[in-house]
Amino acid sequence: AQKITQTQPGMFVQEKEAVTLDCTYDTSDPSYGLFWYKQPSSGEMIFLIYQGSYDQQNATEGRYSLNFQKARKSANLVISASQLGDSAMYFCAMREGNSGNTPLVFGKGTRLSVIA
Amino acid sequence: DAGVIQSPRHEVTEMGQEVTLRCKPISGHDYLFWYRQTMMRGLELLIYFNNNVPIDDSGMPEDRFSAKMPNASFSTLKIQPSEPRDSAVYFCASSLRDLARVLYTGELFFGEGSRLTVL
Repeated sequence: AQKITQTQPGMFVQEKEAVTLDCTYDTSDPSYGLFWYKQPSSGEMIFLIYQGSYDQQNATEGRYSLNFQKARKSANLVISASQLGDSAMYFCAMREGNSGNTPLVFGKGTRLSVIA
Repeated sequence: DAGVIQSPRHEVTEMGQEVTLRCKPISGHDYLFWYRQTMMRGLELLIYFNNNVPIDDSGMPEDRFSAKMPNASFSTLKIQPSEPRDSAVYFCASSLRDLARVLYTGELFFGEGSRLTVL
């Protein structure tokens, strides 16, 4: 079974609008971390935001916020005020356990296109 | 500060040839990961090291793949012999286990990747 599911292969958003990228996860471990990475066309992987399973509040980093719904096992990324530079692939990832450095398991990604 | 450095950035080779990809992790990081990215399979973990010791190599596709980490500042991923289905982008990533950090997340820091094309 897939650990991370991103159901939107591609998304379009108008510049300056907000967009939500979906991510659901599957784990039986009570301790886990959820990550979002951005991969622009140049290819590098850029860490955006992190949410721990025990965190009480949704994570925020600038224009990025994570809508964490633990009971539904979803960790959607919200990008506010989209910019043309936000056009990229976005990957949701999970680390199980609390050892801190087990590998991340990635979803297949969502390609976001921001339209002027 | 220098990030994770990978070389070569691009490699085109013929089937049957040996390929060696190189990675220099961020100084002080004690974990190193090799991932492979393809359109069909996404990002897959191949192997990871802790303090230069391989911890899990169950993602290595077959015996043609091998990885080493002779010291804390260098790792190689070797494919011998290479096949067209090995064509992919290979990423190296490193991280530091530092649970004392207030906002520790354990995020992975990725290199820019090595794009391999096997003809």
